[in-house]
Amino acid sequence: DVKVTQSSRYLVKRTGEKVFLECVQDMDHENMFWYRQDPGLGLRLIYFSYDVKMKEKGDIPEGYSVSREKKERFSLILESASTNQTSMYLCASSFVAYNEQFFGPGTRLTVL
Amino acid sequence: ELKVEQNPLFLSMQEGKNYTIYCNYSTTSDRLYWYRQDPGKSLESLFVLLSNGAVKQEGRLMASLDTKARLSTLHITAAVHDLSATYFCAVPNTGNQFYFGTGTSLTVIP
Repeated sequence: DVKVTQSSRYLVKRTGEKVFLECVQDMDHENMFWYRQDPGLGLRLIYFSYDVKMKEKGDIPEGYSVSREKKERFSLILESASTNQTSMYLCASSFVAYNEQFFGPGTRLTVL
Repeated sequence: ELKVEQNPLFLSMQEGKNYTIYCNYSTTSDRLYWYRQDPGKSLESLFVLLSNGAVKQEGRLMASLDTKARLSTLHITAAVHDLSATYFCAVPNTGNQFYFGTGTSLTVIP
């Protein structure tokens, strides 16, 4: 079974803090994704990566950056957290383009 | 930009009844995915539909895909409480992105 894990289920940070969210997958998938999910807005893609050290902006990259130094690990970075980044963050991975995406358990981030 | 619309957004149905959730999308795609999300949890894959006319069934749920009409349906037969969840359809586009519908929140009432 594919397993996608995320470093924290719940996180509370203060405005201006630097926040790291980590995602690890164990199935040698090429592609990894970061989404945020907000009520009424569905899932929106922040960034994705199709290979180590490669990244592409999604629909809402502003205020975020990503890092993929190893194939199995994809990190989302909030350089200076703001209250409007309070959300559920979901990581996903897939073997190749257009294939089924497998999701991690999510991180509920609250920025005070 | 690819648009994916689901309806209804909210569905309250009695146990034992049948209903259909619709997913329309705005551009050509030969595949579509259905996911389920329980409250406070992540998304779980339900169905992978890979061609026009594809039909998949799992228990009381059946999904189908009509790529010409750009429409997928998720049919619920004889609903039970355990099916209460939010259901999302997702469509891949060029550029390796998935676009998700806004979700259908299903509540099955005893």
